[in-house]
Amino acid sequence: KNEVEQSPQNLTAQEGEFITINCSYSVGISALHWLQQHPGGGIVSLFMLSSGKKKHGRLIATINIQEKHSSLHITASHPRDSAVYICAVSLRESNFGNEKLTFGTGTRLTIIP
Amino acid sequence: GAGVSQSPSNKVTEKGKDVELRCDPISGHTALYWYRQSLGQGLEFLIYFQGNSAPDKSGLPSDRFSAERTGGSVSTLTIQRTQQEDSAVYLCASSRDRGAEQYFGPGTRLTVT
Repeated sequence: KNEVEQSPQNLTAQEGEFITINCSYSVGISALHWLQQHPGGGIVSLFMLSSGKKKHGRLIATINIQEKHSSLHITASHPRDSAVYICAVSLRESNFGNEKLTFGTGTRLTIIP
Repeated sequence: GAGVSQSPSNKVTEKGKDVELRCDPISGHTALYWYRQSLGQGLEFLIYFQGNSAPDKSGLPSDRFSAERTGGSVSTLTIQRTQQEDSAVYLCASSRDRGAEQYFGPGTRLTVT
């Protein structure tokens, strides 16, 4: 079983819809990251959070530490939001004191005009 | 300011040849990470540098893989005697310090024929 599980794997929605992508993890973490990867493009960090909720424009990320669960929401979705969204966790108490990321398999989001 | 840069952007090599991949992190970032993104494997951690030292090499898949970082800045990932299973996108990320947000480079797409 992967330490980081995402759902759904694929999501297609109409422009304007409210989008939710979920991430569950099974280990103690120091932080959770949401990343965005456009086709053929690099990876952009959207959020890094260890508690509560963060908001950037139309994107909202929440985390529930007790339930080991995070969600990424997109309001008023737009075709330019089409990308792969990846959840990653920084593992707590790493033997080496670093913050390497362990990744989920990603959610491919397609927004149709 | 400039982001993380990587070179080359694409590399095609014959099986058995050695390759060097380069990463220029954001100036002043002390932590540097190498990751690999394969079609069948998703994203996986390879190695972490803090300054010039590499306390965590736990993700390197075999002794054909090595990396160094000089002057606390540029890093080189070397793959010796490349195999077809080494084909992947190799990503570099840097952060201000361990535990801070990671900024990703555009990656090097390696194809071993």
